[in-house]
Amino acid sequence: KNQVEQSPQSLIILEGKNCTLQCNYTVSPFSNLRWYKQDTGRGPVSLTIMTFSENTKSNGRYTATLDADTKQSSLHITASQLSDSASYICVVSAHSGGGADGLTFGKGTHLIIQP
Amino acid sequence: DAMVIQNPRYQVTQFGKPVTLSCSQTLNHNVMYWYQQKSSQAPKLLFHYYDKDFNNEADTPDNFQSRRPNTSFCFLDIRSPGLGDAAMYLCATNRDLNQPQHFGDGTRLSIL
Repeated sequence: KNQVEQSPQSLIILEGKNCTLQCNYTVSPFSNLRWYKQDTGRGPVSLTIMTFSENTKSNGRYTATLDADTKQSSLHITASQLSDSASYICVVSAHSGGGADGLTFGKGTHLIIQP
Repeated sequence: DAMVIQNPRYQVTQFGKPVTLSCSQTLNHNVMYWYQQKSSQAPKLLFHYYDKDFNNEADTPDNFQSRRPNTSFCFLDIRSPGLGDAAMYLCATNRDLNQPQHFGDGTRLSIL
């Protein structure tokens, strides 16, 4: 069964500090891995998408890494800001012959930035 | 400007009273999805349209139906809402499967 596990479940850090969120998956055959940011009461917004051949991708202060061998990804946030407070969701896409059920969502990491 | 628009943002209905949630998109994307998201849980795919082709997830209750009258609009109909259907309902689009999805801000549904 395809699964995506995220850790930690929640995290509190001080403004200006860095943090790293983890995503482990057992999705096969792998197509791509996406990180989304979901603010409270809003829809998820795409941060990065990585395919098998990519092992790092940045979007401003967000840097995602992918190790397809160990089936692990991380999202590193640099110099955190109060606006980074949100849930971060890891989504892994499998090659499924075109079916949308190829997407497996993690439960997210709830990040709180304190001033 | 919002590209995936969901209306209303908040919807309250009575137990058993049919309700319709709407989603529109200005992206001209081929695929439109409906997800159910309960508190502290991952979004759960209910169904999706690829153009006019409707694809239902195996575990989506029959109580949930969808319509896509044209490329821009997609509706979620809940025929007889139960208390367990209270959730955030998210609409998403993408140009093709395996492309990043663009989500709306959701409709939070409450059942009285």
